[in-house]
Amino acid sequence: EAEVAQSPRYKITEKSQAVAFWCDPISGHATLYWYRQILGQGPELLVQFQDESVVDDSQLPKDRFSAERLKGVDSTLKIQPAELGDSAMYLCASSDEGIHTEAFFGQGTRLTVV
Amino acid sequence: GEDVEQSLFLSVREGDSSVINCTYTDSSSTYLYWYKQEPGAGLQLLTYIFSNMDMKQDQRLTVLLNKKDKHLSLRIADTQTGDSAIYFCAVIQGGKLIFGQGTELSVKP
Repeated sequence: EAEVAQSPRYKITEKSQAVAFWCDPISGHATLYWYRQILGQGPELLVQFQDESVVDDSQLPKDRFSAERLKGVDSTLKIQPAELGDSAMYLCASSDEGIHTEAFFGQGTRLTVV
Repeated sequence: GEDVEQSLFLSVREGDSSVINCTYTDSSSTYLYWYKQEPGAGLQLLTYIFSNMDMKQDQRLTVLLNKKDKHLSLRIADTQTGDSAIYFCAVIQGGKLIFGQGTELSVKP
């Protein structure tokens, strides 16, 4: 069964260091999303791509976060420098339509900043 | 206030029915979803309902939508210990998928 792949599953980093997460969506899915989920809360959208273009990054802290999807397939989310408050689960999802009719989520990357 | 609100915890006995409730603010939401998240895992889409429907049933799951009150509920019949998880309500608002804070369902044997 096709699934969204994310790596790494877990990451521990020191504050002020750089960290990157990778996501490979389901083949053929044009829309890719990055969500951040703080413990005890629901996921919050950080950035949405349609193919290689960003369609929504209004909640992305652009002073330290960046996201790219150069060839419209896999994507990387980077944080530099990491802060203690960035500790969270980072979830990637993809769908074949931008209206989230069926958004499939990966297992997530659990980031701990120490 | 929050765009999508859920109660935080629900505890039921195995075999009972569970009802998880959700309220939302945007009446233009076209799709409304229920996701399940098990510990340490990503989100699994359980079911969704279009805004022009009142009810949708899928095996043990029943979704009820009251558009007038902006209230969505998920009923799980014959709840099993494997149903223990966090359940998220989510709606489309402004083209974005907005999640509630999740309801932790605990099923006791």
